Amino acid sequence: EAQVTQNPRYLITVTGKKLTVTCSQNMNHEYMSWYRQDPGLGLRQIYYSMNVEVTDKGDVPEGYKVSRKEKRNFPLILESPSPNQTSLYFCASSFSGANDQPQHFGDGTRLSIL
Amino acid sequence: GQQLNQSPQSMFIQEGEDVSMNCTSSSIFNTWLWYKQDPGEGPVLLIALYKAGELTSNGRLTAQFGITRKDSFLNISASIPSDVGIYFCAAYQGGSEKLVFGKGTKLTVNP
Repeated sequence: EAQVTQNPRYLITVTGKKLTVTCSQNMNHEYMSWYRQDPGLGLRQIYYSMNVEVTDKGDVPEGYKVSRKEKRNFPLILESPSPNQTSLYFCASSFSGANDQPQHFGDGTRLSIL
Repeated sequence: GQQLNQSPQSMFIQEGEDVSMNCTSSSIFNTWLWYKQDPGEGPVLLIALYKAGELTSNGRLTAQFGITRKDSFLNISASIPSDVGIYFCAAYQGGSEKLVFGKGTKLTVNP
């Protein structure tokens, strides 16, 4: 089954404790992206990757890092999480970054930073 | 950055009623997408629109890509309880690999 898989689905942690949210897709997609979803703000892009070893900042990259060492994986790293990063996070992928390729989303990771 | 103005923010309707929601922008976009998000899940693509003026249907859903390329609407006919969720418009600008989202329309359907 074609899917985007995020782990963990839920995490409660404390300020400053480094964490990584993994994202994996099995569709051989070149393009992958991370979003955060907050009430009243919709989905905002954090980082995206057009292909292996190519990453770019989205609209809200501060406090986050990503890497794209393999095509299928695109982990989101919070080196020193803060409470304002409490949010619902989604990973998405598409065949390419071209603007005729709809993105497919994972089921989300709810992070709570205390 | 570019913004999509989605309205209404929320809707409360009776089962069987038709629903209409739209997205507008001051910028031109080349592709419009409509997603639905159920509670606890990620957005799922409903309809993709690629040409100005295009009208596309998916079952009871119909969406149109505005002729000015600055807007799009989504209609749902004869709503049913499982239509409940948050609907998002999203769009790509020409030459950009960034997908911009509206803030969503929360739909509640009363049986």
